[in-house]
Amino acid sequence: KAGVTQTPRYLIKTRGQQVTLSCSPISGHRSVSWYQQTPGQGLQFLFEYFSETQRNKGNFPGRFSGRQFSNSRSEMNVSTLELGDSALYLCASRPGWPDSPLHFGNGTRLTVT
Amino acid sequence: GESVGLHLPTLSVQEGDNSIINCAYSNSASDYFIWYKQESGKGPQFIIDIRSNMDKRQGQRVTVLLNKTVKHLSLQIAATQPGDSAVYFCAENDKGNNRLAFGKGNQVVVIP
Repeated sequence: KAGVTQTPRYLIKTRGQQVTLSCSPISGHRSVSWYQQTPGQGLQFLFEYFSETQRNKGNFPGRFSGRQFSNSRSEMNVSTLELGDSALYLCASRPGWPDSPLHFGNGTRLTVT
Repeated sequence: GESVGLHLPTLSVQEGDNSIINCAYSNSASDYFIWYKQESGKGPQFIIDIRSNMDKRQGQRVTVLLNKTVKHLSLQIAATQPGDSAVYFCAENDKGNNRLAFGKGNQVVVIP
């Protein structure tokens, strides 16, 4: 079974631009979560989608948004990029019920200059 | 908020020895715990999980212990190998908001 796939692997953007990251979950997994990972803050929860609905949201500004499609694939968007948005963005999927582990992709490394 | 933390930032262990990684959590509403391993350039990889109705669970070369009384979680790795060198994260699932919160991570370095 293929794992979680994230594209692109690397991105370089300038301040003020916007970016869209893509995630394909494990087949059969209906829940997709996004995390931001930085050396200083560790893994911070962004949001979770289940059946095309945002089920949970972390403490990030409205510049961070996401969506999920009917095939469970998900995208996240960051608008008006700031230098502090430079991070590894991780997508993870799980079948849907709470007591199951998240399975992570290898992330998208975003650098904002 | 995220309340999971680790006691030691770096653990150096001799190849073949056992490793113990500790994690403290403060949210008594957490009912599910997971250990992840993250190697350089990769996403976190699931190692083992445990539910709050258990105090011990074993996998292949790994054991997770949960002490709900003192809100402490540990991961034991038997016969540590060079491939075990990585950052290890504990994560807790808060039943109230149903999200996984991660600790800061603990670097394990295996000395050949």
